[in-house]
Amino acid sequence: GAGVSQSPSNKVTEKGKDVELRCDPISGHTALYWYRQSLGQGLEFLIYFQGNSAPDKSGLPSDRFSAERTGGSVSTLTIQRTQQEDSAVYLCASRTTGTASYEQYFGPGTRLTVT
Amino acid sequence: KNQVEQSPQSLIILEGKNCTLQCNYTVSPFSNLRWYKQDTGRGPVSLTIMTFSENTKSNGRYTATLDADTKQSSLHITASQLSDSASYICVVSVETGANNLFFGTGTRLTVIP
Repeated sequence: GAGVSQSPSNKVTEKGKDVELRCDPISGHTALYWYRQSLGQGLEFLIYFQGNSAPDKSGLPSDRFSAERTGGSVSTLTIQRTQQEDSAVYLCASRTTGTASYEQYFGPGTRLTVT
Repeated sequence: KNQVEQSPQSLIILEGKNCTLQCNYTVSPFSNLRWYKQDTGRGPVSLTIMTFSENTKSNGRYTATLDADTKQSSLHITASQLSDSASYICVVSVETGANNLFFGTGTRLTVIP
């Protein structure tokens, strides 16, 4: 596709359930980021993948959060035993690498609501 | 501490009027500064990017300025349109590191007819 896509666009789940969020980056982009955007807050970095390197997981808020990227393309963010404070928009972004000025292209996000 | 602060938090203006959004940052070592527009239900889209040596950058009715000495940036919107209603996010990059972006909390702009 032409841009970053994410699915589902909206997800409502009950507290305690597990959820999986999917990101399809722009073809050829080796770097992929996950962010969380809570109401009234700035984007919060979660995790970063770069090629075959070990991911930077420094932003994951707890061990209930995990992510993987298969084949250097599609990524899945998994939240186990969801809590109400997990409710937010989860954004995925991808970019080419080489310099820090390369733009991140964002997907439309997945709005997660935990009831 | 690397921080990006934006003001105002929200702004309502009449269609056709101009407005200016502010961004102050304490990010170092500075690489570049971007303004993003985020429509409701969408991901952010880049409007402008400025490096240390650039003072101003325009994109249509959007003009961004950068004062690297005072670490301030502004986004000026001219002749606002209803479609300008969105959140505007200031993002500052540092030169190194994987997690090299620092995001402001955004200014929510509403343009009313």
